[in-house]
Amino acid sequence: TQLLKQSPQFLSIQEGENLTVYCNSSSVFSSLQWYRQEPGEGPVLLVTVVTGGEVKKLKRLTFQFGDARKDSSLHITAAQPGDTGLYLCAYRTSNTGNQFYFGTGTSLTVIP
Amino acid sequence: KAGVTQTPRYLIKTRGQQVTLSCSPISGHRSVSWYQQTPGQGLQFLFEYFSETQRNKGNFPGRFSGRQFSNSRSEMNVSTLELGDSALYLCASSPWTGSNQPQHFGDGTRLSIL
Repeated sequence: TQLLKQSPQFLSIQEGENLTVYCNSSSVFSSLQWYRQEPGEGPVLLVTVVTGGEVKKLKRLTFQFGDARKDSSLHITAAQPGDTGLYLCAYRTSNTGNQFYFGTGTSLTVIP
Repeated sequence: KAGVTQTPRYLIKTRGQQVTLSCSPISGHRSVSWYQQTPGQGLQFLFEYFSETQRNKGNFPGRFSGRQFSNSRSEMNVSTLELGDSALYLCASSPWTGSNQPQHFGDGTRLSIL
């Protein structure tokens, strides 16, 4: 069961363009994490969002946690080829059998 | 500070064999989690170990098992390999266990089943 749905699944854009990727669920999260995975490597944590409505900026990346804590978005301004990778959102359940769930991922390609 | 180290990086096995993968966490990290990543299913949680005890387990058959040693190093074993076990197996460590703990991933072991 995919509890975290990401869109779009694939995205190919020109260098300098802006883009937004989304992470949606019907569940409420206490926190959400965003990771980027480059080819041949493991995912690397970008940010953790905790509070509904929270906005966090990491250079050209802006992360937003929905007010109801059911969704999140990642906006990249003036994309660069170095932004190419698989973007994953993830959360950890706090109930019995708590484990990390990762989203379906958005594969981003930035063309020079 | 050394990152998470996974060995081997690549492995080729045949159906019916078994395999053991190794993970050395970041020094001081006590939680180690294992994940399977495939193009069709994405990243799926296998299990988490903390202080040599399995804390959580994902929805995988009993052929998948693991253990953690007193130095926090972890191994994952898959028995009676099937073609569908071909995947990238990722290990992640964190200082503690908990919902806000960031996962520090290794670069994975690419397992191919012939």
